[in-house]
Amino acid sequence: NAGVTQTPKFRVLKTGQSMTLLCAQDMNHEYMYWYRQDPGMGLRLIHYSVGEGTTAKGEVPDGYNVSRLKKQNFLLGLESAAPSQTSVYFCASSYGLGNIQYFGAGTRLSVL
Amino acid sequence: GIQVEQSPPDLILQEGANSTLRCNFSDSVNNLQWFHQNPWGQLINLFYIPSGTKQNGRLSATTVATERYSLLYISSSQTTDSGVYFCAVPREGSGSRLTFGEGTQLTVNP
Repeated sequence: NAGVTQTPKFRVLKTGQSMTLLCAQDMNHEYMYWYRQDPGMGLRLIHYSVGEGTTAKGEVPDGYNVSRLKKQNFLLGLESAAPSQTSVYFCASSYGLGNIQYFGAGTRLSVL
Repeated sequence: GIQVEQSPPDLILQEGANSTLRCNFSDSVNNLQWFHQNPWGQLINLFYIPSGTKQNGRLSATTVATERYSLLYISSSQTTDSGVYFCAVPREGSGSRLTFGEGTQLTVNP
């Protein structure tokens, strides 16, 4: 049982490049989330999904898009990366509303 | 949305000492979660504790929902307890969108 798996673990982009971060969970959770963590700050919610085929905006959604085509996968896309998107990105999942959230190991992204 | 404040922001302990971390929140909530982020960045859920007290080994947590605070107790601290401790509550008091505090950075020295 792998839990929540994020790929890649590290990535360096140039300004304007695009990329997709993949999050996969094998716990049959309905809810999935993408957060970013910046130095000295807690986690901020980017987008989330309450089920397959649904997505919703979180606290800081600008510059990101997401898709949840399959229940187990939640993709985070950066269409045109900016230096302000340099951060550590965490994916999480939970069984339902208000339940414990389980986190992946994170993706460290640098945009030059 | 709800405001979450954690204290202290930094804490340095000698191995074996006890500590209490505090989380205050500005509105009623129906759940509260404590997380530990280890020095390698991994986030682990410690407690799901909307009210009352729970214990897990050397760690315990108490949430007093009516007074809008939660406490995390660490007893007989070990160097492996080092890292950042976050509390998180639902943004609107309920639901799945969490608001995180800024964390308490704990360092346990041998």
